[in-house]
Amino acid sequence: SAVISQKPSRDICQRGTSLTIQCQVDSQVTMMFWYRQQPGQSLTLIATANQGSEATYESGFVIDKFPISRPNLTFSTLTVSNMSPEDSSIYLCSAGGRSSYEQYFGPGTRLTVT
Amino acid sequence: AQKVTQAQTEISVVEKEDVTLDCVYETRDTTYYLFWYKQPPSGELVFLIRRNSFDEQNEISGRYSWNFQKSTSSFNFTITASQVVDSAVYFCALFENSGNTPLVFGKGTRLSVIA
Repeated sequence: SAVISQKPSRDICQRGTSLTIQCQVDSQVTMMFWYRQQPGQSLTLIATANQGSEATYESGFVIDKFPISRPNLTFSTLTVSNMSPEDSSIYLCSAGGRSSYEQYFGPGTRLTVT
Repeated sequence: AQKVTQAQTEISVVEKEDVTLDCVYETRDTTYYLFWYKQPPSGELVFLIRRNSFDEQNEISGRYSWNFQKSTSSFNFTITASQVVDSAVYFCALFENSGNTPLVFGKGTRLSVIA
């Protein structure tokens, strides 16, 4: 299994600012994913972070709002740009394991935008 | 298209009662995987079980058991003798092997176990 850490674990940010969330995996993985979980809701995939190329975004999410970096096989960042209170959510990083069906989750970053 | 339905939004039980969480899925793939995750109030996702589409054998692990039935496209989860620490949101999820797509989650069921 893969162990995933995220920083920060939580933050309170002001409207209009940006926050970058870091995700570190303890082993090299092919696939990394970013999810958003709005209060009381399920997980929604934001994008798949591809190493060495641009992220693949799901419908409703755009690169200008959620830029993602994936500089190597163990690390990725998600930036939430120009934040509004609607961006208040838990953001979860996940990584695929050796088999395509394996997926492990980080502890999440709890973001509150005031 | 793949879809996961958890019809129960919230369930409340008294400690020591048994409780079953329902999950119904839709997929066109013949090879797929089903998951249950637990999300306690702290927010992290805890992996509970994974089942592949070729293995309908039901499983018991301590107080947890799972009932996978392809005929009804269901993958239900039962907690016996529930405890307060079982209080959490439980998510059912589906992975289709063909599309290299990530997990699709149900909306979750919030379980409250009252002492």
